[in-house]
Amino acid sequence: DGGITQSPKYLFRKEGQNVTLSCEQNLNHDAMYWYRQDPGQGLRLIYYSQIVNDFQKGDIAEGYSVSREKKESFPLTVTSAQKNPTAFYLCASSIWGISQGPNYGYTFGSGTRLTVV
Amino acid sequence: QKEVEQDPGPLSVPEGAIVSLNCTYSNSAFQYFMWYRQYSRKGPELLMYTYSSGNKEDGRFTAQVDKSSKYISLFIRDSQPSDSATYLCAMTLPSGSARQLTFGSGTQLTVLP
Repeated sequence: DGGITQSPKYLFRKEGQNVTLSCEQNLNHDAMYWYRQDPGQGLRLIYYSQIVNDFQKGDIAEGYSVSREKKESFPLTVTSAQKNPTAFYLCASSIWGISQGPNYGYTFGSGTRLTVV
Repeated sequence: QKEVEQDPGPLSVPEGAIVSLNCTYSNSAFQYFMWYRQYSRKGPELLMYTYSSGNKEDGRFTAQVDKSSKYISLFIRDSQPSDSATYLCAMTLPSGSARQLTFGSGTQLTVLP
C-alpha cells in the first residue's frame, strides 16, 4: 500500500543534542513538507521541498534543517539551536501542480512526538 | 490576525446531532478548500475538498464555501462517537502559485454516546 512512514513514533532529546526525524513516501509525490503541531496552534510549516535537491524555508525554519537527496525521503533534523522542540511533528507529501482530482491535498504520516528530557 | 481563523472548541454534542464546524479567512485569493480529520496522536486525513464556492456532499458530510463572506463550513449529520476527532480546515491559492496549504488551528469535537 502507498503511504508515508514516519519514524520513530516517539523520540526523546537531551539538551544540546541534534536529532533526526525520518520521513519516507512511496506515493511518487514530488512535494514533501514538514509541519510542527502544538496544542491550540494548528499546523505550522517548517520546510518544504518541491523537487529533489531543493527545499524552501517555511514559517518557523529556525533551529531546523532538512535534506532532499531522494524523491522518497525528506528527513528533518532538529538542532540544538531550536530552544523549544517539544512538539508533534508531521510529514506530508503531495503532487505538485494543477489538480482538481481526488488526489488533491496532502497525505500525512502518523507523526513523531518529540520530547526534551 | 491569522489568515485562517477557526474556533478551537472543544465542542461536545450528543450522538445523532448535527454538527457545524466553521472557518473564516482573510485572503480572497484562496480558491481550494479542504477539511481534514485528525484522530488523537495520528496524522490528519483528507475528508472533503471543494473548489471555489458552493456545496459538496459525501455521505453524512457536507462542505460549504461562501467566498463572498470568506467563510467555509463542514456539516456532519447524524453524528457518531467515531466522529470524535479534531477537524482542521485548510485552503490554498489557485494553480500556478506556490502550492502550500494554510491551516486553521483545528476544532476538537467529541460526540457523546
